[in-house]
Amino acid sequence: EAQVTQNPRYLITVTGKKLTVTCSQNMNHEYMSWYRQDPGLGLRQIYYSMNVEVTDKGDVPEGYKVSRKEKRNFPLILESPSPNQTSLYFCASKRDGQNYGYTFGSGTRLTVV
Amino acid sequence: KNEVEQSPQNLTAQEGEFITINCSYSVGISALHWLQQHPGGGIVSLFMLSSGKKKHGRLIATINIQEKHSSLHITASHPRDSAVYICGSSNTGNQFYFGTGTSLTVIP
Repeated sequence: EAQVTQNPRYLITVTGKKLTVTCSQNMNHEYMSWYRQDPGLGLRQIYYSMNVEVTDKGDVPEGYKVSRKEKRNFPLILESPSPNQTSLYFCASKRDGQNYGYTFGSGTRLTVV
Repeated sequence: KNEVEQSPQNLTAQEGEFITINCSYSVGISALHWLQQHPGGGIVSLFMLSSGKKKHGRLIATINIQEKHSSLHITASHPRDSAVYICGSSNTGNQFYFGTGTSLTVIP
């Protein structure tokens, strides 16, 4: 089944403890991206990647890192999480070209205490 | 940065009604996106359009590039259409900006 898989689905962590949220797609999509969703603010783009070894900042990149060493994987890294990074995170991928829509992962609910 | 605004924020309709959700954006875009998010959180991409109109089942999306405006229409609404509908814009640099969503409830 074509899908974007995020792990974990739920995570509670403490301030300052490094964590990684994984994202993997099995559709050979070139484009991958990360978003956070907060009440009243909606979805905001964190980082995106047009292809392997190519990453760019989105609207809210501060406090996050990403890497794209392989086409299928696009992990989101929080080196030193803070409570204001408590949010619902989504990964998405897309095939290159105007006629193709996005496939979203199921989301990761992160709580930083 | 593209400012994306949706209206209304909340919408309640009777089953069978025709529904319209509006989206406006502030600067030129490469594409306009409509997403659907059901309770429980999963997001589905409904439409991506850069001009004209697209239709999928009972859903129709239109865009007016000159007026920087898009609409999502749902014909013959059904309770299973109850969800949050999110409008988003992307530019040629693949940067994405979203509205805060329209929460739709369709009552049987």
